[in-house]
Amino acid sequence: GAGVSQSPSNKVTEKGKDVELRCDPISGHTALYWYRQRLGQGLEFLIYFQGNSAPDKSGLPSDRFSAERTGESVSTLTIQRTQQEDSAVYLCASSPPGQGVAKLFFGSGTQLSVL
Amino acid sequence: SQQGEEDPQALSIQEGENATMNCSYKTSINNLQWYRQNSGRGLVHLILIRSNEREKHSGRLRVTLDTSKKSSSLLITASRAADTASYFCATDRDTGRRALTFGSGTRLQVQP
Repeated sequence: GAGVSQSPSNKVTEKGKDVELRCDPISGHTALYWYRQRLGQGLEFLIYFQGNSAPDKSGLPSDRFSAERTGESVSTLTIQRTQQEDSAVYLCASSPPGQGVAKLFFGSGTQLSVL
Repeated sequence: SQQGEEDPQALSIQEGENATMNCSYKTSINNLQWYRQNSGRGLVHLILIRSNEREKHSGRLRVTLDTSKKSSSLLITASRAADTASYFCATDRDTGRRALTFGSGTRLQVQP
């Protein structure tokens, strides 16, 4: 694809509900990252995928957060039993093989609002 | 926790002026990158400087890195209204981890 695609662009949910956020990376990009950005702040690392495996999940804030990636392509970030503090923009990024973290390509994010 | 801190938090200048943003970090790094974010959404990579480099240029951008002071600066020369955005520094450490650590950002407003 032309760029990293995320859906939905906006999600409003009620406290306690589960949500799924989707990321379609650039075709051929083997590395995929999820970050969270709270209002007016920088990005917080959540999880990194290399292919379909996740060597680094250290940024996931609690066991309510999980992510998977299939077919070395699409990734889904799931937040169970959402809390108000989960409200943020969730950004996905990808990078091609051999690039390391030298240059990430970001999607436009999903704005999650938990009421 | 955020490793990087940018200053100023906000900067307002007139078109044609230069804009300088600074970033400080706490631990030793492998690379430092600058990203731009428009309207609080996707980030765009601007420039990367390695820990053994001191200065790098790309078009109207000039980045410096001082590893002894654990700081970097981003200079945008001859600013344009289209440069209005938030600017973030991001560092990675030579530990094999693929996680970037972002600063809190500088919001730049360029008045036409």
